[in-house]
Amino acid sequence: EAGVVQSPRYKIIEKKQPVAFWCNPISGHNTLYWYRQNLGQGPELLIRYENEEAVDDSQLPKDRFSAERLKGVDSTLKIQPAELGDSAVYLCASSFSGRGETQYFGPGTRLLVL
Amino acid sequence: AQRVTQPEKLLSVFKGAPVELKCNYSYSGSPELFWYVQYSRQRLQLLLRHISRESIKGFTADLNKGETSFHLKKPFAQEEDSAMYYCAERRENAGNMLTFGGGTRLMVKP
Repeated sequence: EAGVVQSPRYKIIEKKQPVAFWCNPISGHNTLYWYRQNLGQGPELLIRYENEEAVDDSQLPKDRFSAERLKGVDSTLKIQPAELGDSAVYLCASSFSGRGETQYFGPGTRLLVL
Repeated sequence: AQRVTQPEKLLSVFKGAPVELKCNYSYSGSPELFWYVQYSRQRLQLLLRHISRESIKGFTADLNKGETSFHLKKPFAQEEDSAMYYCAERRENAGNMLTFGGGTRLMVKP
């Protein structure tokens, strides 16, 4: 079992450019999470999916960020256009549905916006 | 206001010394508290949760509702314990959403 898979692992772009991150959760996990981790801080939840439905996106900056999980498995997080302050590590996690379930994290995508 | 607070960014101890990583939360209800760990070049992973009341890799943590704390302790630190440690909270009305503290880097010196 590979665990949660994310790609790319690193991305460097210029500001105002678009960028996309991809996540493949652990097989069978209905719930998928996207977190952003700024330097020197803990992860902060951006959006949570139950299957293909976004059930918590209150922290997602909707003017430039979008996410989708069309078939309830893989997910893509997009930023368009990117700003300097978007430089961070973007983490994907997955779990079985249910309040007590453990979240398993991917390796993250480190984004640098120049 | 910060919901989960880890006051120390860096904690440095010698091998064999006791270690305590502090975590305080602000929720007045009944949260679940967790410790996650990230070793060098590895992904973030669950270390322990308060409801399990278990010891993992020699670490324990007790939920103190009076002090709203969930400090992580180990009586004798090992070099392999060097890592980033994050305390996290889950509130009973927040589904499976976790709120993380800022993290503490533990360095265990030989």
